[in-house]
Amino acid sequence: SQELEQSPQSLIVQEGKNLTINCTSSKTLYGLYWYKQKYGEGLIFLMMLQKGGEEKSHEKITAKLDEKKQQSSLHITASQPSHAGIYLCGAVNSGNTPLVFGKGTRLSVIA
Amino acid sequence: DAGVIQSPRHEVTEMGQEVTLRCKPISGHDYLFWYRQTMMRGLELLIYFNNNVPIDDSGMPEDRFSAKMPNASFSTLKIQPSEPRDSAVYFCASSRSPHSTGELFFGEGSRLTVL
Repeated sequence: SQELEQSPQSLIVQEGKNLTINCTSSKTLYGLYWYKQKYGEGLIFLMMLQKGGEEKSHEKITAKLDEKKQQSSLHITASQPSHAGIYLCGAVNSGNTPLVFGKGTRLSVIA
Repeated sequence: DAGVIQSPRHEVTEMGQEVTLRCKPISGHDYLFWYRQTMMRGLELLIYFNNNVPIDDSGMPEDRFSAKMPNASFSTLKIQPSEPRDSAVYFCASSRSPHSTGELFFGEGSRLTVL
């Protein structure tokens, strides 16, 4: 079964600093998804990557899927308190399988 | 659209009691998913439905857990009898396909505490 490893498990950064979160799969990915969860709330979709080498951006958040489609990174530029939360990567390994998720990375942004 | 609606938001019960969690998916979404989130295990898929039919329930922990979807606008997740290790946040999500554009729409979750 699909296993996703996220690193780091938690991260504390100073406001304005850049940061990167990684997601590594045990299998080749059909699709890789990034979600954000604010504490005590549901998950909000950020972006989806399918092609090897693909890169997408949303505001100050950029995600990339490596060429071999087994690792993705999420990069936040000039972090702000609004970026705080739990970032989860999710993956499918075929066209009709449901999403399975990594355990998440807890991000805190301090002033 | 109102989004995925879950109830109750919080439930505190005693071991051995029956717990029923409810979910109303987004209208027009053919897929409904139940996930459970804990600190130790993260977000785990319990079961998912397509057009009200259970497709994969291999994530359901044991026979104490059951899920139904009697119609396109309602699903329940029942735990009977409940145990302290069932304490978690249970999320319902819906989508137009298993992954479609990649967007699963999540409810706010039901936080269950079993004493």
